[in-house]
Amino acid sequence: DSGVTQTPKHLITATGQRVTLRCSPRSGDLSVYWYQQSLDQGLQFLIQYYNGEERAKGNILERFSAQQFPDLHSELNLSSLELGDSALYFCASSVEDGTAKNIQYFGAGTRLSVL
Amino acid sequence: AQSVTQLGSHVSVSEGALVLLRCNYSSSVPPYLFWYVQYPNQGLQLLLKYTTGATLVKGINGFEAEFKKSETSFHLTKPSAHMSDAAEYFCAVLNQAGTALIFGKGTTLSVSS
Repeated sequence: DSGVTQTPKHLITATGQRVTLRCSPRSGDLSVYWYQQSLDQGLQFLIQYYNGEERAKGNILERFSAQQFPDLHSELNLSSLELGDSALYFCASSVEDGTAKNIQYFGAGTRLSVL
Repeated sequence: AQSVTQLGSHVSVSEGALVLLRCNYSSSVPPYLFWYVQYPNQGLQLLLKYTTGATLVKGINGFEAEFKKSETSFHLTKPSAHMSDAAEYFCAVLNQAGTALIFGKGTTLSVSS
């Protein structure tokens, strides 16, 4: 158990809908990262938050957004969903921000199926 | 920009045989390299990491990897495979800003008895 909690584990929805994925980082970790794992694109970094502030953006679509709350949990919001958004979404957390010794610990993921 | 190439999307070995999973990286700065393992229906678990110092890195479950700068490689090995090693393995490099991991496409390891 990595200590990173993601809910829900599975999500089935329809095209055009909006969903929210939730992540609770390990106790004491200030950074939260979101990754998308799909068959065609592999594992891709989406976005990072550090202590409530956005720190880095990767290949995140404009239809997607995220935030980190004062209690450090994070939510990833996906809107106007398309079939191609079906994927496994991982959250990771780390204690520091952007250092080489920064280990990212991953949650079990949320599997999103868009029908 | 950094990138990672994992040679072989699927590797099959017999129980007790040597495991060798190949990873080559591209980086304009000294790389920080990682191997993660993903068991079915689970998240990514860190196996080992290289930051600086000793180039032979030991990880969990008997795995180790050697950083070879001249070959831009970070291959993962285990002397004797167990059935429980069957999983998908990802090599990753930390991006230059230190904000994100850049992953290879992954290698699925199958172990037969």
